[in-house]
Amino acid sequence: EAGVAQSPRYKIIEKRQSVAFWCNPISGHATLYWYQQILGQGPKLLIQFQNNGVVDDSQLPKDRFSAERLKGVDSTLKIQPAKLEDSAVYLCASSYRHYEQYFGPGTRLTVT
Amino acid sequence: GQSLEQPSEVTAVEGAIVQINCTYQTSGFYGLSWYQQHDGGAPTFLSYNALDGLEETGRFSSFLSRSDSYGYLLLQELQMKDSASYFCAVREGDQAGTALIFGKGTTLSVSS
Repeated sequence: EAGVAQSPRYKIIEKRQSVAFWCNPISGHATLYWYQQILGQGPKLLIQFQNNGVVDDSQLPKDRFSAERLKGVDSTLKIQPAKLEDSAVYLCASSYRHYEQYFGPGTRLTVT
Repeated sequence: GQSLEQPSEVTAVEGAIVQINCTYQTSGFYGLSWYQQHDGGAPTFLSYNALDGLEETGRFSSFLSRSDSYGYLLLQELQMKDSASYFCAVREGDQAGTALIFGKGTTLSVSS
């Protein structure tokens, strides 16, 4: 079974630029999550989709972050414009059972 | 508010047993999960407890006491490859769309 795929793996941008991350979840997993993980901390949920509908985006900085999940499969997370404090690893996860999430390798974002 | 407390670091030697504790304070509680994350890697699911008691999976066991808002992960016969960060995560609701809240993680260092 193929795991959760993410791209790119690494991205370096300057502040105020925009960036997009892509995620392909495990086939058949209805729930998809985007997390932000700052060095030395646990993953923090940004947004959660159930199929192609948003279930929870309460911690998404909506003035600069956006996400979509078209057709209930792939998802993209965008940051525009980026700030220095957005430097982090962005993890995508999917699940069939909500307590057992499968994470992708993440995208390490550096904002300079 | 929500809080999960776990030790920041634990050290042990190969072959030993180590216990990583997690105490939580959340608005709702439906289960405690544990995830392992190697440096630069993705979090991987280890175990889940919804009811009081001990769950055993090979060398790893997880315990939950709902009345004490406390759980732990027990790692036996430690190996060098167990050196990683370990996160406890709480599920606050029982709906399919309920996200996990992660602790800050415990870094386990296993030496020979």
